[in-house]
Amino acid sequence: KQEVTQIPAALSVPEGENLVLNCSFTDSAIYNLQWFRQDPGKGLTSLLLIQSSQREQTSGRLNASLDKSSGRSTLYIAASQPGDSATYLCAVKGEETSGSRLTFGEGTQLTVNP
Amino acid sequence: DAGITQSPRYKITETGRQVTLMCHQTWSHSYMFWYRQDLGHGLRLIYYSAAADITDKGEVPDGYVVSRSKTENFPLTLESATRSQTSVYFCASRGPNNEKLFFGSGTQLSVL
Repeated sequence: KQEVTQIPAALSVPEGENLVLNCSFTDSAIYNLQWFRQDPGKGLTSLLLIQSSQREQTSGRLNASLDKSSGRSTLYIAASQPGDSATYLCAVKGEETSGSRLTFGEGTQLTVNP
Repeated sequence: DAGITQSPRYKITETGRQVTLMCHQTWSHSYMFWYRQDLGHGLRLIYYSAAADITDKGEVPDGYVVSRSKTENFPLTLESATRSQTSVYFCASRGPNNEKLFFGSGTQLSVL
């Protein structure tokens, strides 16, 4: 059974700092990996999607990398801002041809202090 | 408005009552999903649907029923609510050739 772990559970940084959020998964047979952002009391917003054949994806100040063989992904946030404060979740989709199950990590709660 | 909407936003009910949570999307996405989010468990898939009239169980389907008579709607029914079903419920959707998921704002359900 796939398990996804995100460490740390919470992170507090000063504004302007570059930071890395970590995601690890136990089964490397994945189809893709997706990073989401969740604001308090809101749903999830997809930030970046990495296919299993890709090494990284970039969107603005965000860069996600994937090392499938080692079961790891990182989300790099450059020049953090208070508006980046949220919970960040990663989710993996298995290689199975049927079904659409994503396995989610529990997230890293990020606080960027002005 | 375009997007994916859930109703109600908040719901309080009693054990044993039937509750239906609504989900509506305007993109004509083929796939729709129901997740529950609980502290210590993260997001877990309850049911999903690949198209109208096609549904399948997720990780935690017991006690829930879904239907999908129209592409845009995917209601989730708790047939006889239990306290363990107190949770935040999220509906999500995506297109057939796009893995990016779009989530609703959630329904916070309390079963007393």
